Amino acid sequence: KAGVTQTPRYLIKTRGQQVTLSCSPISGHRSVSWYQQTPGQGLQFLFEYFSETQRNKGNFPGRFSGRQFSNSRSEMNVSTLELGDSALYLCASSTGQTTNYGYTFGSGTRLTVV
Amino acid sequence: AQSVTQPDIHITVSEGASLELRCNYSYGATPYLFWYVQSPGQGLQLLLKYFSGDTLVQGIKGFEAEFKRSQSSFNLRKPSVHWSDAAEYFCAVGAQAGTALIFGKGTTLSVSS
Repeated sequence: KAGVTQTPRYLIKTRGQQVTLSCSPISGHRSVSWYQQTPGQGLQFLFEYFSETQRNKGNFPGRFSGRQFSNSRSEMNVSTLELGDSALYLCASSTGQTTNYGYTFGSGTRLTVV
Repeated sequence: AQSVTQPDIHITVSEGASLELRCNYSYGATPYLFWYVQSPGQGLQLLLKYFSGDTLVQGIKGFEAEFKRSQSSFNLRKPSVHWSDAAEYFCAVGAQAGTALIFGKGTTLSVSS
């Protein structure tokens, strides 16, 4: 069974640009969550999508957005990039009952903003 | 709201020695608790989880964790550490179904020979 696939693995962008990251969950998983991981702040929850609807949202500015498609694949977008957005962005999928089964994580997208 | 504290930022253990990583949580009801491990440049892998029943939980790679409600703790243990266990370990807590998992800041484990 294929795992969670995140593309691309690495990205370098310039301040002010926008970026789109992609996540394909495990087949049959309907929930996709996104986390930002930095050395100083650790893992911070961005948002969760379940059946194409945003179910939960973390405390991030509106520059961070996401969506989920009918096949459960998800994208997150960051507009007007800032240096502080440099981080590892992790996608995690679950059946939808996160608290029962936990997440399966992808390997992440390393975003560097210069 | 729930929260997680991992008091130890970095721990070094000799190969073959026992290991205990601490995790304290804050949540009013019975939480859902998880331990994950992350190798450099990789995503997180689930080691074990607890949400009810036996308070001693067995996981993969020889790890176990014990839920102690009175101490609000969920410490991870391994009787004999291998060099391949060197990684970062994260404790996470979840509330009721449909909410996100909240992660601790992580503990980096180094294994010395």
